[in-house]
Amino acid sequence: SQTIHQWPATLVQPVGSPLSLECTVEGTSNPNLYWYRQAAGRGLQLLFYSVGIGQISSEVPQNLSASRPQDRQFILSSKKLLLSDSGFYLCAWSQRTTEQYFGPGTRLTVT
Amino acid sequence: AQKVTQAQTEISVVEKEDVTLDCVYETRDTTYYLFWYKQPPSGELVFLIRRNSFDEQNEISGRYSWNFQKSTSSFNFTITASQVVDSAVYFCALSTSGTYKYIFGTGTRLKVLA
Repeated sequence: SQTIHQWPATLVQPVGSPLSLECTVEGTSNPNLYWYRQAAGRGLQLLFYSVGIGQISSEVPQNLSASRPQDRQFILSSKKLLLSDSGFYLCAWSQRTTEQYFGPGTRLTVT
Repeated sequence: AQKVTQAQTEISVVEKEDVTLDCVYETRDTTYYLFWYKQPPSGELVFLIRRNSFDEQNEISGRYSWNFQKSTSSFNFTITASQVVDSAVYFCALSTSGTYKYIFGTGTRLKVLA
């Protein structure tokens, strides 16, 4: 069966510090991968998605970036965090147009 | 343009009551998919159901049922005999054939009171 992992589960970072969130998927190959952000009490905002290694599509211009160095690994990064980057970050995978399956999420607080 | 509207921001019911969560979608595509997800307090989104545009048959899974009506562009979700464990935020989502992206609604927070 397929499993999706995210780490860390929680993170507190000062403004201006770098960020690296990791997502890995097990039990499937060549998945579509997605990064979402959910601000407190709000809906989900798609940040990036990837249909293959090295292929990243950005949905919202911002100080975040994503990379997919391996088939089942998706990384969200920032060189300098802003207060507005605080939120709940969710990674998801799917096989083409089927349903997306979400990871447990990372709660990021920028102080 | 594609859009998903969940007009109910928050609903409170007493345990054992039935509750319906509304979802209205907009798309010009003839092939599309609709989804419902549950987000409990832990935060992880849990997939509940997928329905494609060619299948208007309603579905029942235990206490959950879904009513898909293309004529009104709605995909409503009913919980029968609600329980406290049903308390969560529920999201409706839309994707269209040929894209990999979901359009999420803003979610409905359901509170089931004991």
